[in-house]
Amino acid sequence: GESVGLHLPTLSVQEGDNSIINCAYSNSASDYFIWYKQESGKGPQFIIDIRSNMDKRQGQRVTVLLNKTVKHLSLQIAATQPGDSAVYFCAENKGQAGTALIFGKGTTLSVSS
Amino acid sequence: EAGVAQSPRYKIIEKRQSVAFWCNPISGHATLYWYQQILGQGPKLLIQFQNNGVVDDSQLPKDRFSAERLKGVDSTLKIQPAKLEDSAVYLCASSLRGTVNQPQHFGDGTRLSIL
Repeated sequence: GESVGLHLPTLSVQEGDNSIINCAYSNSASDYFIWYKQESGKGPQFIIDIRSNMDKRQGQRVTVLLNKTVKHLSLQIAATQPGDSAVYFCAENKGQAGTALIFGKGTTLSVSS
Repeated sequence: EAGVAQSPRYKIIEKRQSVAFWCNPISGHATLYWYQQILGQGPKLLIQFQNNGVVDDSQLPKDRFSAERLKGVDSTLKIQPAKLEDSAVYLCASSLRGTVNQPQHFGDGTRLSIL
């Protein structure tokens, strides 16, 4: 089965709110994690990544947090905008077994204005 | 830079027919991946190439799926014969090097419908 999953299939927020999307993983050997955004009819778009030797990484309006103790990953989006509406996937690599990614099922973020 | 190019965007075939998909990765990217994305799920790896060699094809249904990357650039994925369960979006991704962890960049995929 899949080793990466998301806690909620859907998340609805108001424009301007902060969004938090959570993800649990099960493979302790994974050493690279990545968040993608996928809009309808398009391929996954890279948002931000983090390596296992870090616990936090910030990008433009986004922050990824990694808690290896409980195998938890989260994506925080500041000041969420309608254009952020999409399906968000977390993914992990296979650790020593390779660089291919294992994806979870995704969380659909809906932003209302 | 130009992104990952895939064609066709859509394909409709009947079961037991054959179909082929084409991918042109980002220029200079040595690693190429094919993923299958069934509706409502995350992408699942089918095969990974490093230049023109196969790195991982452990999840490729080899009785019906084949893929090649003969010159280490473009790649084709073929299904023969197709089954109803093959209805999915087939995504191609590439990364600069597959030996260290780097973001994979995806194309917009080919949506395959099997009748």
